[in-house]
Amino acid sequence: AQSVTQLDSHVSVSEGTPVLLRCNYSSSYSPSLFWYVQHPNKGLQLLLKYTSAATLVKGINGFEAEFKKSETSFHLTKPSAHMSDAAEYFCVVTPGGAGGTSYGKLTFGQGTILTVHP
Amino acid sequence: GAVVSQHPSRVICKSGTSVKIECRSLDFQATTMFWYRQFPKQSLMLMATSNEGSKATYEQGVEKDKFLINHASLTLSTLTVTSAHPEDSSFYICSALLAGGQDTQYFGPGTRLTVL
Repeated sequence: AQSVTQLDSHVSVSEGTPVLLRCNYSSSYSPSLFWYVQHPNKGLQLLLKYTSAATLVKGINGFEAEFKKSETSFHLTKPSAHMSDAAEYFCVVTPGGAGGTSYGKLTFGQGTILTVHP
Repeated sequence: GAVVSQHPSRVICKSGTSVKIECRSLDFQATTMFWYRQFPKQSLMLMATSNEGSKATYEQGVEKDKFLINHASLTLSTLTVTSAHPEDSSFYICSALLAGGQDTQYFGPGTRLTVL
């Protein structure tokens, strides 16, 4: 079984300040972890993914996330927020490896809405 | 690369009619596609897993006779909402898994279904 908890439903920052979106997971397998972003009435765009390589993962638009197994966390950060970063962000886990009945099945966190103030 | 399209992007229909939503992987082959449903201000809920050439696997609580899924080729999966009712109004999103063992899903832009 696997689950994802996004610790904040809403995060509000000022433009130019750092962003931290928190995510904790649990998984029976060595998981793959993802962050996706969703703008209003749009599909999901992949920001970055962790698949058991480097624990610090760099993604698009200046975002990065660090996989910490001891803390079962995969927090998303960005040094300086832009107005265009305002959106909803989803932390997602899937069982790692190929094959099996759970292969490819994603478990989504509840989402964190990021608001960026001028 | 890895673009997924959905058609239509928005549909309004009368209660009792059926609506077909297409999901296409434009520049890659996808042996597996997934269909999700998203209610306002909520996360995505997996409805079913669609495998090319075989029957879809539905999640618990999803009516397979109401939500018909056909994955006829490596680039196309369709979701048909049969005898739609207002409670079926939602945002439907598909995703496609890259063939070859990768576990990254690429999402379509979604289809907004409104049933009157």
